[in-house]
Amino acid sequence: GENVEQHPSTLSVQEGDSAVIKCTYSDSASNYFPWYKQELGKGPQLIIDIRSNVGEKKDQRIAVTLNKTAKHFSLHITETQPEDSAVYFCAVNYGGSQGNLIFGKGTKLSVKP
Amino acid sequence: DADVTQTPRNRITKTGKRIMLECSQTKGHDRMYWYRQDPGLGLQLIYYSFDVKDINKGEISDGYSVSRQAQAKFSLSLESAIPNQTALYFCATSGPGLAGGIFGEQFFGPGTRLTVL
Repeated sequence: GENVEQHPSTLSVQEGDSAVIKCTYSDSASNYFPWYKQELGKGPQLIIDIRSNVGEKKDQRIAVTLNKTAKHFSLHITETQPEDSAVYFCAVNYGGSQGNLIFGKGTKLSVKP
Repeated sequence: DADVTQTPRNRITKTGKRIMLECSQTKGHDRMYWYRQDPGLGLQLIYYSFDVKDINKGEISDGYSVSRQAQAKFSLSLESAIPNQTALYFCATSGPGLAGGIFGEQFFGPGTRLTVL
């Protein structure tokens, strides 16, 4: 079946450093790549997404890059802050444009002050 | 008020009991989803519904059933709960996608923590 691999599973950085989380996928028809942030005790919340017609998208301190040829995409967080500490999930749609999302297993990011 | 609400937020039950988890949304979205979250396993899709008359199985539907009572309400039932159904359960909604059929952002509820003893 379809698969999304996410690495690393845990990531610890110092405040102010950058953090990078990577995901690979298998379905060449996937064309939607969102990233979700889940804070403790809450549901996941979309922080940024990218569609296959672009290679990079930025929103303040976060950015996502996509390499469709290699079937991988990454989340970049610059100038990390303690409030960035959370679990981050990547996801891809599968089965075409009307397909549902399949999620990676998550990365627990800890930002040390 | 929250756009997606789930009740109860926490539930402890015993093996063999029937349990219903409820989800309501005020976003006016047609699409609703139920996910299960286990530590280290991400989110797995149980069932989804694209409108009131449309119900579809997800990756892990065995042992679960759903009911879409209205556009705003989507319930998940465990007919006979078992301990390995202990998990965090999330309801989500999404609106229509952009041109080309890509669906939009999914909005998640706060989750229901279910423990089956």
